[in-house]
Amino acid sequence: NAGVIQTPRHKVTGKGQEATLWCEPISGHSAVFWYRQTIVQGLEFLTYFRNQAPIDDSGMPKERFSAQMPNQSHSTLKIQSTQPQDSAVYLCASSLVGSSAETLYFGSGTRLTVL
Amino acid sequence: GDSVTQTEGLVTLTKGLPVMLNCTYQTTYSPFLFWYVQHLNEAPKLLLKSSTDNKRTEHQGFYATLHKSSSSFHLQKSSVQLSDSALYFCAFNTGGADRLTFGKGTQLIIQP
Repeated sequence: NAGVIQTPRHKVTGKGQEATLWCEPISGHSAVFWYRQTIVQGLEFLTYFRNQAPIDDSGMPKERFSAQMPNQSHSTLKIQSTQPQDSAVYLCASSLVGSSAETLYFGSGTRLTVL
Repeated sequence: GDSVTQTEGLVTLTKGLPVMLNCTYQTTYSPFLFWYVQHLNEAPKLLLKSSTDNKRTEHQGFYATLHKSSSSFHLQKSSVQLSDSALYFCAFNTGGADRLTFGKGTQLIIQP
């Protein structure tokens, strides 16, 4: 079991460019979560899929952020027109079915730096 | 709305001393409480969790007891080790939502 895999580990973009972050959940897990980690805010929830369907995107900035899960083996987070304030570590996590008591298994994250 | 508050910032201790990291929460639902630990350049991983009132939960020398009367789930260890240096997050969710709400994290540094 390779755990949750996130690529790339580091990404540097210029202001206004697009960034796409990839996540491969643990095989057999049907729930995928995206979080953003900064020193100031800690871990902030962005969005959540169960069985590839979007369930809760209440944490997503509406205008430039989007997430998809086209199949059970990967999810993407896309940030259009990146801004310096988007610089953060973006963490993906998966769980077996997405219930309240379940353990989240996190990937090592993608560190996004917007210059 | 639902929220979780934990000891913020930096806690520095000498090896062998006890530690308590505070965590309190606010919700109108019945909560599940979690502590996650993140070592430098690693992914956060579960340390322990509980939904049972007044029952102590232990793992890897750390322990916590959920007290619904005071809305708390403080993390404790009787004797910290150098390897305990890490970022600790308290988190919770409720029956009304499947996503975890995290505190801002406490950086624990253990000195020789």
